[in-house]
Amino acid sequence: ETGVTQSPTHLIKTRGQQVTLRCSSQSGHNTVSWYQQALGQGPQFIFQYYREEENGRGNFPPRFSGLQFPNYSSELNVNALELDDSALYLCASSGDSLNTEAFFGQGTRLTVV
Amino acid sequence: AQTVTQSQPEMSVQEAETVTLSCTYDTSENNYYLFWYKQPPSRQMILVIRQEAYKQQNATENRFSVNFQKAAKSFSLKISDSQLGDTAMYFCAFMKPNTGANSKLTFGKGITLSVRP
Repeated sequence: ETGVTQSPTHLIKTRGQQVTLRCSSQSGHNTVSWYQQALGQGPQFIFQYYREEENGRGNFPPRFSGLQFPNYSSELNVNALELDDSALYLCASSGDSLNTEAFFGQGTRLTVV
Repeated sequence: AQTVTQSQPEMSVQEAETVTLSCTYDTSENNYYLFWYKQPPSRQMILVIRQEAYKQQNATENRFSVNFQKAAKSFSLKISDSQLGDTAMYFCAFMKPNTGANSKLTFGKGITLSVRP
């Protein structure tokens, strides 16, 4: 166990709906990164939050947005869901030292029908 | 932009044998980190081993070791004395360090490793 928890573990949504995924970072970590992992692929970086500010974004449309709270937990919001959004969404937390390992949660499996 | 390539989609190895997983990457950076992550069916990404590009010595962690060839931009993982619990997807990943916060990880497509009893 890494101390990074994600909720929910699975969910099914209909195309066009909106979804919110949650991540609790490990104690002492102030950085949260979100990744999308399509079936059979490697994770793709969505964005990173550092001390409540967005600190870098990957090649994802504005439908993907996020938030980080004062306790450093984070949310990933996806609007206007598309079938291709079906994937495993991974959250990783880390500290702000260059030698800090990123710890991953178990992910949220999102299915869009 | 950085790219990470894992050209072998799957490999199989007999228990107790040794297996090597390949990875190449492309970057114009001189200072960076390379990682191997394991993702078992439980889905959680687990760090196996890390290599800092400025270190010439190859990293080792118990049964896991890497062959880091900076000039060739190659970073392979050797698993010795393979165990059934090593069965998983393995991802090679690159990170360019940022000051103030860890930077993003760029992953390869992964390789499925099966350890046969």
